[in-house]
Amino acid sequence: AQSVTQLGSHVSVSEGALVLLRCNYSSSVPPYLFWYVQYPNQGLQLLLKYTTGATLVKGINGFEAEFKKSETSFHLTKPSAHMSDAAEYFCAVNILTGGGNKLTFGTGTQLKVEL
Amino acid sequence: NAGVMQNPRHLVRRRGQEARLRCSPMKGHSHVYWYRQLPEEGLKFMVYLQKENIIDESGMPKERFSAEFPKEGPSILRIQQVVRGDSAAYFCASSPGTGVLEQYFGPGTRLTVT
Repeated sequence: AQSVTQLGSHVSVSEGALVLLRCNYSSSVPPYLFWYVQYPNQGLQLLLKYTTGATLVKGINGFEAEFKKSETSFHLTKPSAHMSDAAEYFCAVNILTGGGNKLTFGTGTQLKVEL
Repeated sequence: NAGVMQNPRHLVRRRGQEARLRCSPMKGHSHVYWYRQLPEEGLKFMVYLQKENIIDESGMPKERFSAEFPKEGPSILRIQQVVRGDSAAYFCASSPGTGVLEQYFGPGTRLTVT
């Protein structure tokens, strides 16, 4: 069975600083990996995804993530944080099975951006 | 193109009542997923449906919970005889097909059981 671990339930950065949100996964087959963002009282919005091919994937709002198979990681980064990035971020893994596909989520990281 | 619609956005029920949560997938999407988010936790898969079929309900509690996605109309998640532990945010997601990996999420229904 697949699983996702997000290290750090709360991360605080200064505006303009590097954002690094950590995600490690466990999967017995090649995974498909996602990062979603959730703003207060809203649904989840897809930031980026890794399926196959290039291991560095770029997403919306200046975010990117790198798939590292040897480290079973898919960390999310952004070079310069903005106040509007404050939200909760979820890493998820998806494995296609005979029964379709379903996402397994990490427990989330709350990002706080300070002036 | 309208996104995934869920209603109501907020639902308050007393213990023992029934809760009905509705989800209209994006236009052209025939696959619906329900997830539950408990306080301070990530989203947990509950059930995956296609039109008129339940494909995977491995995440559904065995009792009191049921889901359907009829040929016409929205998908319904039904919780009978609600208890305080059912208080959570329930999210619906949709996708156009099995081979498509992305799921598009609705805004959620926040259920409060008093």
